[in-house]
Amino acid sequence: SQQGEEDPQALSIQEGENATMNCSYKTSINNLQWYRQNSGRGLVHLILIRSNEREKHSGRLRVTLDTSKKSSSLLITASRAADTASYFCATVSRGGGADGLTFGKGTHLIIQP
Amino acid sequence: DAGITQSPKHKVTETGTPVTLRCHQTENHRYMYWYRQDPGHGLRLIHYSYGVQDTNKGEVSDGYSVSRSNTEDLPLTLESAASSQTSVYFCASPHWTETDTQYFGPGTRLTVL
Repeated sequence: SQQGEEDPQALSIQEGENATMNCSYKTSINNLQWYRQNSGRGLVHLILIRSNEREKHSGRLRVTLDTSKKSSSLLITASRAADTASYFCATVSRGGGADGLTFGKGTHLIIQP
Repeated sequence: DAGITQSPKHKVTETGTPVTLRCHQTENHRYMYWYRQDPGHGLRLIHYSYGVQDTNKGEVSDGYSVSRSNTEDLPLTLESAASSQTSVYFCASPHWTETDTQYFGPGTRLTVL
């Protein structure tokens, strides 16, 4: 069954604006990750946040994690046309990542030039 | 996509025929995974392997099988293709430095008529 649910399903913003995507999950996790998928390509790992972390930054990306609400958000600041892609959250269970990732359904982000 | 290749890139087949999708990784990693991606479902885990001669079922394993005879390859077999198996298939293997995250291959788009 799907662990993560992203919100919104689709998001269209102007270049230069900030984009925020949310992910909710159901069970206890070891960590939560965000991936990007450009059209027709495989997924690319963006950032990982562990269950004992609340916020993490990587370049223009900021991820937050609220384990009490079982939710995470991904903020992309100063968006660029190249950020147009689908974004997926994925969780790793308490047992670790050897059993694979559980993905949400994704948010399709469109950056208007 | 570093180190993971998949073949074919596209395949069209008929219901009831056997199909094998190939995944090859050059990172010498013991763990390999197969996912399918469908609109509205995100990615779902089909099978995974911890090493040679080891295979495990994922969330949506019915109708699929895998075998692991060497470290580099994990072929995915559909014994009798069904229209419900029309999907995009991704192979993945962990990052060496952060083993909970995964590299994904470029994918195989399978259409079952």
